[in-house]
Amino acid sequence: DIQMTQSPSSLPASLGERVTISCRASQGISNNLNWYQQKPDGTIKPLIYYTSNLQSGVPSRFSGSGSGTDYSLTISSLEPEDFAMYYCQQDASFPLTFGSGTKLEIK
Amino acid sequence: EVQLVESGGGLVQPGRSLKLSCVASGFTFSNYGMNWIRQAPGKGLEWVAYISSGSSYIYYAETVKGRFTISRDNAKNTLYLQMTSLRSEDTALYYCARRGTTLFDYWGQGVMVTVSS
Repeated sequence: DIQMTQSPSSLPASLGERVTISCRASQGISNNLNWYQQKPDGTIKPLIYYTSNLQSGVPSRFSGSGSGTDYSLTISSLEPEDFAMYYCQQDASFPLTFGSGTKLEIK
Repeated sequence: EVQLVESGGGLVQPGRSLKLSCVASGFTFSNYGMNWIRQAPGKGLEWVAYISSGSSYIYYAETVKGRFTISRDNAKNTLYLQMTSLRSEDTALYYCARRGTTLFDYWGQGVMVTVSS
């Protein structure tokens, strides 16, 4: 199974700040890496697919990059609605696996 | 508008069974693979099972293999998860999610399953 190690687990940040969340796979996943946002009410929204492609309706301040085993999600300028949980997920092979999550908090 | 509505959750004793349903609307259900994903209280997301559009391909997480069965009825636009031999560690919010091109592109609101005596 492919293990996904996500960091940091908690990220205090301020409005307008640029932040980056990292995700490392236990083996190469050939860019098959997705990102999701979860709000406190449990609602889950897909953000980015195949490393760097923005899902429809996702603001352009979100971006993704990476290759091989190392991937990242960047938010260029934090808005109030961005404070939430973020998860990476590998789609290279079954069983599909998620990172442990990053809680983006207001500093 | 795509909608996924889960039901069938509740409180169940260890060792008993429960069947979850997910009714889909707003898209051609029979064209998409579907998944169950769960989240234990205060924990992260865990993928549980996948079924292809025509039920030809089915995969499970090791933690539920042999105990859970995913199925679908394309005529009823409904996805199912039959859960047997339930354990306390199966306590979670269970989401159904549509598989888009390469990610889970639509999610339901989830249904809570609590396994406790």
